[in-house]
Amino acid sequence: QSALTQPASVSGSPGQSITVSCTGTSSDIGGYNYVAWYQQHPGEAPKLIIYNVDSRPSGVSRRFSGSKSGNTASLTISGLQVADDADYYCSSYTSRTTHVFGTGTKVTVL
Amino acid sequence: QITLKESGPSLVAPTQTLTLTCTFSGFSLNTREVGVAWIRQPPGKALEWLALVYGDDDKRYCPSLKSRLTISRGTSNNQVVLTMASVDPVDTATYYCVHKFRDSSGYGYWGLGHLVTVSP
Repeated sequence: QSALTQPASVSGSPGQSITVSCTGTSSDIGGYNYVAWYQQHPGEAPKLIIYNVDSRPSGVSRRFSGSKSGNTASLTISGLQVADDADYYCSSYTSRTTHVFGTGTKVTVL
Repeated sequence: QITLKESGPSLVAPTQTLTLTCTFSGFSLNTREVGVAWIRQPPGKALEWLALVYGDDDKRYCPSLKSRLTISRGTSNNQVVLTMASVDPVDTATYYCVHKFRDSSGYGYWGLGHLVTVSP
């Protein structure tokens, strides 16, 4: 299975909104509503911020939202904050009953 | 409170077998609804999903690594073991143990990670 495709980097200024895309195929993102997003700061373990395409775990800011259209999932961060400066990874369930991660996106808050 | 902790060797020689243990607390791996997975991350690179076992012993493997991986429940009720055969320097990575609910696409609880270096 191939990794899902994400842009290498996305940047924005504090207060702005940005969107990170995650492109797969009909065998993963397009076939199931089982997309998740993770935030990872340097030296730390990833943190789940979105699951099942658009659900937020308890305690995760409403500034993070997820969506999906066809074979592409998206993570939107609104009201960008310095603390959002991190790496972001998408993941999806696949037709092989496994999971696959994205290539990762570095979000920079200017 | 759910916690997970990875343990195992920090240095492994090429061609050897790597054995990692995940010791967890705060949940039981005795229902089909709960699982433990292994995910790794080479230095400076992306996450890679490796394997998953549910409480009913349903096991899943990354297709490209399936021939080298074995995931199993440990001798203690609160452990999961991952073995990787014939390691290579490209297997150098931080290995994470994670908790999963079957009906959720997300891994909500992660261990701190364990760095394994493959080198002569």
